[in-house]
Amino acid sequence: SYVLTQPPSVSVAPGQTARITCGGDNIGSKSVHWYQQEPGQAPVLVVHDDSERPSGIPERLSGSNSGNTATLTISRVEAGDEADYYCQVWDSNSDHYVFGTGTKVTVL
Amino acid sequence: QLQLQESGPGLVKPSATLSLTCNVSGDSINSVGFYWGWIRQDPGKGLEWIGSIYSTGHTYYHPSLKSRVTMSVDTSKTQFSLQLSSVTAADTAVYYCARHVGLPAPYYFDHWGRGTLVTVSS
Repeated sequence: SYVLTQPPSVSVAPGQTARITCGGDNIGSKSVHWYQQEPGQAPVLVVHDDSERPSGIPERLSGSNSGNTATLTISRVEAGDEADYYCQVWDSNSDHYVFGTGTKVTVL
Repeated sequence: QLQLQESGPGLVKPSATLSLTCNVSGDSINSVGFYWGWIRQDPGKGLEWIGSIYSTGHTYYHPSLKSRVTMSVDTSKTQFSLQLSSVTAADTAVYYCARHVGLPAPYYFDHWGRGTLVTVSS
């Protein structure tokens, strides 16, 4: 089945840029969506369709997708960005949703 | 403002059937193009999609859970339900209900419930 691989953790200093990757076979041909999950909370959609932001999500969060890697970029990182982030796609070969393994972002 | 709320037993015995309901408010469960799904998360681990259902009753189920999952929708009560049979300790998780864009193809989950912890134990 389709697998999405993310780095377990990313550490970044405040004001710097965090890049979270999501690797999958030819993922560039799929629509990738990203969720932020703070401790004890439900996930929140932060990017959909590779690079679109829902209303209320700051422009500091952006997404891209090409080849075998999708990337969520958080610019000018703030303490409030500390959370787990998950990528997600729909695997049309087997008709099911796949979530990435998740990345914990730590703000130093 | 769309809101989803999970309800059901927090403790289920091994080999029994786990049953959860998600109540939908603030929007119609018959909204065109939207499916209603269940996702679970082992404590401290990642997300796993279980299945989704449309207001017509059309379903998608995760291939590895398909033999144990049944989902239903009650449009008059604006709620949908999950049944997972023959549970084991491996089914212990926080269970979320959520809405996702489903037509013309399944896309993203745009609204989530707060989640409910279900523990499988005797």
